[in-house]
Amino acid sequence: EVQLVQSGAEVRKAGESLKISCKGSGYTFTSYWIAWVRQMPGKGLEWMGIIYPGDSDITYNPAFQGQVTISTDNSINTAYLQWSSLKASDTAMYYCARRFAGRYFDNWGQGTLVTVSS
Amino acid sequence: EIVLRQSPVTLSLSPGEGATLSCRASQSVGSSLAWYQQRPGQAPRLLIYDASNRAPGIPARFSGSGSGTDFTLTINSLEPEDFAVYYCQQRSNWYTFGQGTKLAI
Repeated sequence: EVQLVQSGAEVRKAGESLKISCKGSGYTFTSYWIAWVRQMPGKGLEWMGIIYPGDSDITYNPAFQGQVTISTDNSINTAYLQWSSLKASDTAMYYCARRFAGRYFDNWGQGTLVTVSS
Repeated sequence: EIVLRQSPVTLSLSPGEGATLSCRASQSVGSSLAWYQQRPGQAPRLLIYDASNRAPGIPARFSGSGSGTDFTLTINSLEPEDFAVYYCQQRSNWYTFGQGTKLAI
C-alpha cells in the first residue's frame, strides 16, 4: 500500500526556521515526483513546487520561489519542505502528494499544520 | 497560467439526489483534468483523472465528462459521505486547482 506520512503539527514564531517532512512507503520512492500543496485556513489548494527524487530535479511555483526550499533524502524515502524565515502568512496546512500519470496527484499525505505567530 | 473556475461555489442538495459540478478552464487543457474530493479535516482524494477515468476504488456513482475548456463532475444518488468540497485540477506549465465547490446538505 502506497503511503505518505507527514510530520506533526508545528507552532513557530515569525522569523524562525522550519523543516517539515513527508515519508513515502509502499512504492519506489525515487521513481515518482513528490509535490507540496498549501491550503490556507478556509481556502483552496495551491501547488507550491515539485521534486523528482531520482535526480533532485525541482520546479517551483513562481509564487513560492525563494520563499521555500524543497528537498529529499532518498536514504530514508523522505521529502522535505523548509522555510528559513517564517511569516504569519505561512500559517496553513501543507500536504505532500505523489504525482501520477505526469499530471495528477494520486496519493496524499495527511497534512502538516503549521501555525506561525507574529 | 491557466485559470480554472468552478461553479457553483456552493451546491445544496439532499442525500439520494444527483449533483452536477462544473469546471471551466481559461484555455483548452484537452482532456487533462482531474477532480478531487476533500472531506472536512481530511486530505484531498483523487476521484477522476483525464476528465473521465475513475481512480481506483472510486464508486461508480462518480463520473466525469468534458474536454477542451468545459468539464463536469456528476455524482449520482448522493450518499452522506459525498458532502464535501470538490476541486478540479490541471497541469499546463504548472499545476493549478479550481477554487472549489462545496457540496452541502
